[in-house]
Amino acid sequence: QSALTQPASVSGSPGQSITISCTGTSSDVGGYNYVSWYQQHPGKAPQLMIYDVSNRPSGVSNRFSGSKSGNTASLTISGLQAEDEADYYCTSFTSSHTYVFGTGTKVTVL
Amino acid sequence: EVQLVESGGGLVQPGGSLRLSCVASGFTFSSYWLHWVRQAPGKGLVWVTRINGDGGSTSADAVKGRFTISRDNAKNTLYLQMNSLRAEDTAVYYCARTGLSVASLDYWGQGTLVTVSS
Repeated sequence: QSALTQPASVSGSPGQSITISCTGTSSDVGGYNYVSWYQQHPGKAPQLMIYDVSNRPSGVSNRFSGSKSGNTASLTISGLQAEDEADYYCTSFTSSHTYVFGTGTKVTVL
Repeated sequence: EVQLVESGGGLVQPGGSLRLSCVASGFTFSSYWLHWVRQAPGKGLVWVTRINGDGGSTSADAVKGRFTISRDNAKNTLYLQMNSLRAEDTAVYYCARTGLSVASLDYWGQGTLVTVSS
């Protein structure tokens, strides 16, 4: 199973919006609405930010939103803040009943 | 409060074995799917394996035949038996719980480092 494709890095100024893409295939991202997104700060465990494409767990800021079109899912961070600087990973359930993570995206707040 | 605490990591020679444990608390352990996810130093997250409440499991191709996930619901403990270890298995290993949905890992442990080297 190949990793889902994400841009290596995305940057933005405070207050701006950024979008991170996550591209897979019809056997994973395109085939199921089981895409989730994780934020990971250096040296810390990942934290769930979005599940089932566009749902936010309790406690996650509404500045984070998710969507999907075909084989590509997206995470949008609105009103970018310094604390959003972190690595972000998507993941998807697959037709083999396994899971696959994305390659990861480093978000930099300028 | 939900907690997952991994242990058992360390230095092991290539070809060796190691068993990781993950002790859970704060939720009904037997009702949840659990996963192992790893992260090589400076690299991204990689899904390893998953087990459901009654012991059924799936694994990534990279570890099939070498790693075995298991659970003891009476002890609220998840295990990962790792055999025939290779240098490329060097990573921090996290246990995580599937919570809100099939692909949502809503709680994670702090991780345990496994180093495979001679």
